[in-house]
Amino acid sequence: DAGVTQSPTHLIKTRGQQVTLRCSPKSGHDTVSWYQQALGQGPQFIFQYYEEEERQRGNFPDRFSGHQFPNYSSELNVNALLLGDSALYLCASSLGGFNQPQHFGDGTRLSIL
Amino acid sequence: AQKVTQAQTEISVVEKEDVTLDCVYETRDTTYYLFWYKQPPSGELVFLIRRNSFDEQNEISGRYSWNFQKSTSSFNFTITASQVVDSAVYFCALSEATKTSGSRLTFGEGTQLTVNP
Repeated sequence: DAGVTQSPTHLIKTRGQQVTLRCSPKSGHDTVSWYQQALGQGPQFIFQYYEEEERQRGNFPDRFSGHQFPNYSSELNVNALLLGDSALYLCASSLGGFNQPQHFGDGTRLSIL
Repeated sequence: AQKVTQAQTEISVVEKEDVTLDCVYETRDTTYYLFWYKQPPSGELVFLIRRNSFDEQNEISGRYSWNFQKSTSSFNFTITASQVVDSAVYFCALSEATKTSGSRLTFGEGTQLTVNP
């Protein structure tokens, strides 16, 4: 039973570029959440997708956008990258109901030069 | 607004010692959920436990135990007879139980636990 998978594992970009991160949820899960984790800090909620719609959003600028596909997989897009966007981006999946445990992937380490 | 505080940034113990990780939370909701996650060096957050605000029973799972005290807004985590494999960053998290909240998790800053042989 595959868990949450994220790609790529690592990514290096320069300021101003755009990036797309991908996530496949755990089998049977239909809800995907994205978190940003800066070094030495706890994860910060970016947004959550359910039934292909953004259900809720955290305090992140519009440069951060996402999408959920009919197979429940998801993408996180970040435009006009800033140095401060360097972080570990974590995807979590859960089963539709509210407050079900979220299962996390290994994350994508994004470095901005 | 929700907030989770883990005052212990780093804890270092010797193997077989018991260790307690503290978690204090703030929320205006009467119904909420609390979680603990473990993050080993690989980066993946591993789910350990979920507890709802109406269930104040302590829970034990093997060497792990959790003490939820609503009166002090605390949800502490104890590892008994610690092992080197317990070395990781541990996060406490909170979510509100409302449909508009969408189960977003608010995390603390984490506690780095190092268990030395």
